[in-house]
Amino acid sequence: KAGVTQTPRYLIKTRGQQVTLSCSPISGHRSVSWYQQTPGQGLQFLFEYFSETQRNKGNFPGRFSGRQFSNSRSEMNVSTLELGDSALYLCASSVGQHNSPLHFGNGTRLTVT
Amino acid sequence: AQTVTQSQPEMSVQEAETVTLSCTYDTSESDYYLFWYKQPPSRQMILVIRQEAYKQQNATENRFSVNFQKAAKSFSLKISDSQLGDAAMYFCAYRSAGTGTASKLTFGTGTRLQVTL
Repeated sequence: KAGVTQTPRYLIKTRGQQVTLSCSPISGHRSVSWYQQTPGQGLQFLFEYFSETQRNKGNFPGRFSGRQFSNSRSEMNVSTLELGDSALYLCASSVGQHNSPLHFGNGTRLTVT
Repeated sequence: AQTVTQSQPEMSVQEAETVTLSCTYDTSESDYYLFWYKQPPSRQMILVIRQEAYKQQNATENRFSVNFQKAAKSFSLKISDSQLGDAAMYFCAYRSAGTGTASKLTFGTGTRLQVTL
């Protein structure tokens, strides 16, 4: 089975721009969650989508949004980029039950200049 | 809100030796899951081991085992017979067992493990 695939692996954007990151979950997984990893704040939960609905949300501003498609693929969008948005963005998929393990992708490294 | 604390930013172990990574957490919940994830330079978070809070028996996965002390809210990871491939960042993580929170993990700040010859 193919693992969780995140594209692109690297992105460089300018402050004020917007960006879209993509995540393809493991086949059969209906839950996709997103995490931001920075040296200062560590790993922080952004949000989770399950069957195309946002099921849970972390404490991030509205500039961070996401969606999930019928094939469970998910996209995360960040608008009006700030320097502090530079981070590794990790996506994880699971079957969606509370005891099911999360499987992570390799992440997208976003640099905002 | 739950918090996870890893007090050891870096640890070093010789190949074939045993090392223990510490983790403490704070929660008012009685039912939850605890995890250790490994993040090598490839950046992918890899699940090492998990523990259900309602289980008294400590989880074991090959060379990896945990010491789960629920009353003390402690969850340490022991790596036996350390190998060069064990070198990575190790994160302790907490997850509530409540429905609707399936994918929300709270992570510690990580411990960087070096394995020397």
